[in-house]
Parts: sequence; C-alpha cells; structure tokens
Amino acid sequence: SQQGEEDPQALSIQEGENATMNCSYKTSINNLQWYRQNSGRGLVHLILIRSNEREKHSGRLRVTLDTSKKSSSLLITASRAADTASYFCATSYTGANSKLTFGKGITLSVRP
Amino acid sequence: EPEVTQTPSHQVTQMGQEVILRCVPISNHLYFYWYRQILGQKVEFLVSFYNNEISEKSEIFDDQFSVERPDGSNFTLKIRSTKLEDSAMYFCASRILYEQYFGPGTRLTVT
Repeated sequence: SQQGEEDPQALSIQEGENATMNCSYKTSINNLQWYRQNSGRGLVHLILIRSNEREKHSGRLRVTLDTSKKSSSLLITASRAADTASYFCATSYTGANSKLTFGKGITLSVRP
Repeated sequence: EPEVTQTPSHQVTQMGQEVILRCVPISNHLYFYWYRQILGQKVEFLVSFYNNEISEKSEIFDDQFSVERPDGSNFTLKIRSTKLEDSAMYFCASRILYEQYFGPGTRLTVT
C-alpha cells in the first residue's frame, strides 16, 4: 500500500503560532496533495507538490517533500482560529487515471 | 470559481433500496472519481472514470455499484441494493491536470 500516514493525529495550538503536520508514505509517488476538511464538510484542496519538487508555498502554507524519506510536511504559519479543521495528505502514483490514497488525517485545533 | 457540486446533500434510505448519488464535475475536467468516507475513518477510493469508461475500481466497488455519465455533465453513482455498511459520506471529484477537486459530499444513511 502506498497510503499516507499523518502525524501527529491531533494538534492544538494558540492562534498566531505555526502548525506543522507530517505525512509519510510507503511507495514511490507522482505527487502529494494536502486537503482540509471542516467537520462534516467536503475536502478543500490546499496544495500539490510533485515528486520532483522539494518545497512549495501558497500564502501561509509551506509544503516540503523528501522523497528519500518518503515524507512530506505542511506548515501553516501565523495560524488562525479559522484554520481549525482536519488535514489530510493524499498520494498519487504515476498513471493517467491515478486515484488518491488518503491518510487518516490530523485534527488541528487553533485556540483563539 | 468553478466547483464540483453534489446532490442530494443527505440521503436516507432503507436497506435493500437503490440510491443514485449525483455529481456535476467542473466543466472542462476529464477525469472523474468517487470516494467514500465512513464516519471517523479515512477517505477511500471507489472508482475512477475517463473517456466514458471505468479506468480503475477498488475492492469496495463490487457489483452493487455502478457509475454513469449520462449526458456529458452529470456523473452518477448508483448503489443497487444498499446495506447498512454503505452508510458513509460519498465524495465526487474531478480533475484536468493533477489536482483533484472534491464536491461537498452526500451523506448516505442506510437504516
């Protein structure tokens, strides 16, 4: 299985702090995507990083990818209460119709 | 900004009944997917669809499931005879490049 696994499973921080979430996977991938899910809602695409990229930024998000360690991290800087949600990494392997394989997710709580 | 839409948002059905979950993918996307998420568990892949045919399906996607793109805009998931264990959130997704964009989901409750 190439499934991603995130850690920690739950993270609680104060507003304004940075949140770092990690994801590990088992097999070679084509890309890795991070999603956010508010309670009972849909999956919002945050950022994609390709296997030949090491770091990517989008607003307050920074994603890194280490293919030698088969791991990725998502950093949210200057967190806000509205960032409270579950965060998932999802991996995709090479293939035109490739499915996403999700991890179990990280529950992030940002205290005001 | 274009979005994937899904209807209904919540469907309650009795065991053994047929249900059809509907999705309207983003209009210029070419690849379509269904996933499900049982409460408290991870999101699981069900099926991918491209060029009017299934390109990949998981073990979950047995003979009780089928997908269709009947009119070039809708993408449907049918469950012929629902079981209690089919209760879950069902997500449709579509893509044109690498990013998959998900709809808000349909919560299916089988009683």
